[in-house]
Amino acid sequence: KNEVEQSPQNLTAQEGEFITINCSYSVGISALHWLQQHPGGGIVSLFMLSSGKKKHGRLIATINIQEKHSSLHITASHPRDSAVYICASVGGADGLTFGKGTHLIIQP
Amino acid sequence: SQTIHQWPATLVQPVGSPLSLECTVEGTSNPNLYWYRQAAGRGLQLLFYSVGIGQISSEVPQNLSASRPQDRQFILSSKKLLLSDSGFYLCASEQLGNTEAFFGQGTRLTVV
Repeated sequence: KNEVEQSPQNLTAQEGEFITINCSYSVGISALHWLQQHPGGGIVSLFMLSSGKKKHGRLIATINIQEKHSSLHITASHPRDSAVYICASVGGADGLTFGKGTHLIIQP
Repeated sequence: SQTIHQWPATLVQPVGSPLSLECTVEGTSNPNLYWYRQAAGRGLQLLFYSVGIGQISSEVPQNLSASRPQDRQFILSSKKLLLSDSGFYLCASEQLGNTEAFFGQGTRLTVV
């Protein structure tokens, strides 16, 4: 069974700080998604990764398939980045599997 | 590429009323389809998944049911809502053999 673990569960930081959220999984997968959910809002897909690194604005996502680990980084964090960030693995033996999410608060 | 349409975005329903949430997929055929629920402060919990028309697997016992009457249509239903059915419901699709999943916007259900 694929176990998708995220850390930390909760993270509070000051505006401008560099943020790292981690995601690890236990079985081979095809790809991994990073999703964002603002309070009271819907799900937005930020990245889909099958290898290497992707960058979009202040967001960077990396994945190491051999180590079964992915990270989401936010540079120059801003209060509007406050949201729940969720990783989801695709193509493993259990199909689509979500992590429990990381609740990020960026204080001004 | 695939698109998932999920509606409505928000819904307020009285206890005991029925529920029907619809999810439709465009741009693909024969996807694996999923319904998830997120209770307040919790992670996404798998409710149902389907690998084809009429094929539904349930992950947890609950007050809900799912149906897949057409290849690209996945419906979540309840005959009588409970307060505990409140939450955020997400439909997702995954193409077997593909490396990508697609996500609906979600429905925020409040049972009052």
